[in-house]
Amino acid sequence: GENVEQHPSTLSVQEGDSAVIKCTYSDSASNYFPWYKQELGKRPQLIIDIRSNVGEKKDQRIAVTLNKTAKHFSLHITETQPEDSAVYFCAAKAGGGNKLTFGTGTQLKVEL
Amino acid sequence: DTAVSQTPKYLVTQMGNDKSIKCEQNLGHDTMYWYKQDSKKFLKIMFSYNNKELIINETVPNRFSPKSPDKAHLNLHINSLELGDSAVYFCASSSHPAPVTGELFFGEGSRLTVL
Repeated sequence: GENVEQHPSTLSVQEGDSAVIKCTYSDSASNYFPWYKQELGKRPQLIIDIRSNVGEKKDQRIAVTLNKTAKHFSLHITETQPEDSAVYFCAAKAGGGNKLTFGTGTQLKVEL
Repeated sequence: DTAVSQTPKYLVTQMGNDKSIKCEQNLGHDTMYWYKQDSKKFLKIMFSYNNKELIINETVPNRFSPKSPDKAHLNLHINSLELGDSAVYFCASSSHPAPVTGELFFGEGSRLTVL
């Protein structure tokens, strides 16, 4: 089955700096890669996703890149703000399958 | 309007008891899920139903039994609760199973504490 690794597990940045979270996946059949944000005590919510026919996608301050050859994808947050502080999860899903496999999460802390 | 709602939000119980968590979605989705989030924040899928049919059943002890009376509801019953069952259980739904991708809409979670 799919295995998704996520690094780092914790990340502290100063407000205004950029943050990068990296994930690798094992199943070359995976073709959908969403990112979820979970604020403290809240539910995970989708913030951005990318499909395997695209190398990069951007939405305001967040962007995701995908390298299918290397089987890794990354989340980039620019101009970080305190409200970006949360746990971020990457995930991967194989085509034809229904299961979304999550990474282990990254606790991002944006310090003033 | 709450899209995916779960009850109860908090559940504290003794080892050996049986408990249920209920989930309902009003999004018209066909697929519903149960995820377990442990103390380290790992999110792991347990079950998935598509239109009342079980389509994912991960390696979960058979003390856990899901039940979907209709496609808008997915309940989770846990027998003989153990300390290791303590976690936050998230219900989720999506508009499509496969192959179309679908955003997962999570409920608020049900925090289960087994004493």
